[in-house]
Amino acid sequence: EPEVTQTPSHQVTQMGQEVILRCVPISNHLYFYWYRQILGQKVEFLVSFYNNEISEKSEIFDDQFSVERPDGSNFTLKIRSTKLEDSAMYFCASSEAPRSGAQHFGDGTRLSIL
Amino acid sequence: GNSVTQMEGPVTLSEEAFLTINCTYTATGYPSLFWYVQYPGEGLQLLLKATKADDKGSNKGFEATYRKETTSFHLEKGSVQVSDSAVYFCALRGGGSQGNLIFGKGTKLSVKP
Repeated sequence: EPEVTQTPSHQVTQMGQEVILRCVPISNHLYFYWYRQILGQKVEFLVSFYNNEISEKSEIFDDQFSVERPDGSNFTLKIRSTKLEDSAMYFCASSEAPRSGAQHFGDGTRLSIL
Repeated sequence: GNSVTQMEGPVTLSEEAFLTINCTYTATGYPSLFWYVQYPGEGLQLLLKATKADDKGSNKGFEATYRKETTSFHLEKGSVQVSDSAVYFCALRGGGSQGNLIFGKGTKLSVKP
C-alpha cells in the first residue's frame, strides 16, 4: 500500500537555526498538509497546499514557516529561525481530494529545539 | 468555530472487554467525522470515517455512528485485544476549502492480557 514518507524521523537543532522537514506524499495525491503535535497536546493543522500554492493556513503558520514543492515528489516545511516552542512532532499528510478523500499521514518528524 | 472534544484518558481495559471512547463535536454545516489511531512510534492511521448523519463507519471490529442530534461520534469495540493498545483521535473535517482536519486531544488505550 502506498505510504507518505517523512525524513528525518528525528531532528535536533539549535534555537535560531533554520530547519527543513521533508515529505514524499503518495504519488497520485494532489492535496498536501502539515500538522504538528506538541508533546501531550492535540494534533493541530498548520497549512494545506494545492496546485503549487498555499490553500489555507492556521494562525500558527506565521512568517517563520514556509512550504514548497520543489519537484514532482517532495513537499517540504521550512522553519526559518527556530524557537524552543517549535519543538513538536510534525506530520505530513496527503489526499486525492480535499473533501471526499481520506488524509494519509506519515510517521512524523520529531523536532527538538535546544 | 469547529471543535472536537473526546474523553480524557488513559483508558485501561482487560482483554475482551467492551470499549467506548466518547467524542462530541461542534461544527457549522455538515462535517465529515473520523477516527484515527496512532500505534507506538508510528504515524496517524485512518481507522474509520462517516460523511453524513446516521452513517456508521466500521473497521477491524471498531464502529462509530454519526449522530447529528447529539453531535457525537463515539468509538466502540465489543472485545478489545492487547494489539489495540494505542492512542485514538477523533477528528472532523468541516467547511474549510481544502478540508483540513480538526482533532481531539486523543485518548490513550492500554489493554492488559
